[in-house]
Amino acid sequence: DGGITQSPKYLFRKEGQNVTLSCEQNLNHDAMYWYRQDPGQGLRLIYYSQIVNDFQKGDIAEGYSVSREKKESFPLTVTSAQKNPTAFYLCASSPGRAYNEQFFGPGTRLTVL
Amino acid sequence: GNSVTQMEGPVTLSEEAFLTINCTYTATGYPSLFWYVQYPGEGLQLLLKATKADDKGSNKGFEATYRKETTSFHLEKGSVQVSDSAVYFCALSNDGGYQKVTFGIGTKLQVIP
Repeated sequence: DGGITQSPKYLFRKEGQNVTLSCEQNLNHDAMYWYRQDPGQGLRLIYYSQIVNDFQKGDIAEGYSVSREKKESFPLTVTSAQKNPTAFYLCASSPGRAYNEQFFGPGTRLTVL
Repeated sequence: GNSVTQMEGPVTLSEEAFLTINCTYTATGYPSLFWYVQYPGEGLQLLLKATKADDKGSNKGFEATYRKETTSFHLEKGSVQVSDSAVYFCALSNDGGYQKVTFGIGTKLQVIP
């Protein structure tokens, strides 16, 4: 089955620690995205990547980092510089052409203790 | 810039009631329009889409018509079920440099038996 997987589903970390969220897709999509979702705020774009080895900051990139070494993978690192990291994180992909919808993974809920 | 406006809710309806969730947008050019649905603890799923003016998207009894003259894409369903309880996101995609998707804030729907 084609789709997007995110792991783990639930993640706990202590303050001051970096943590990496996994996102893998087998849809052969060029573009991948990371969003953060908080209650009452909808989706906010963190980073996006249109092709391998290239990525761009979204609207709220501070305190996050990404890499795109393979077409299938787009991991997100939440660093200790992110002041309020507790949130639901969603990864998405799209063919990369204009006007196309995005396909979403099941999400990772990160809680900082 | 692009924007999508929808009511946050919650919208509470009895089973078999008629549903309307309003969505209006501001965009340059001729965007594609989408409705996504998110069930509790999950990622977003595409519900329906429309790519040009006067197109009607439909799926699972839900419908929305792309109205360019009123810049609207209201979601409707004739008879809701308890299983329709979820958060619904209106979104648009235009021909921006990387196929940016702009999401509304999401409307929570609660259907009671």
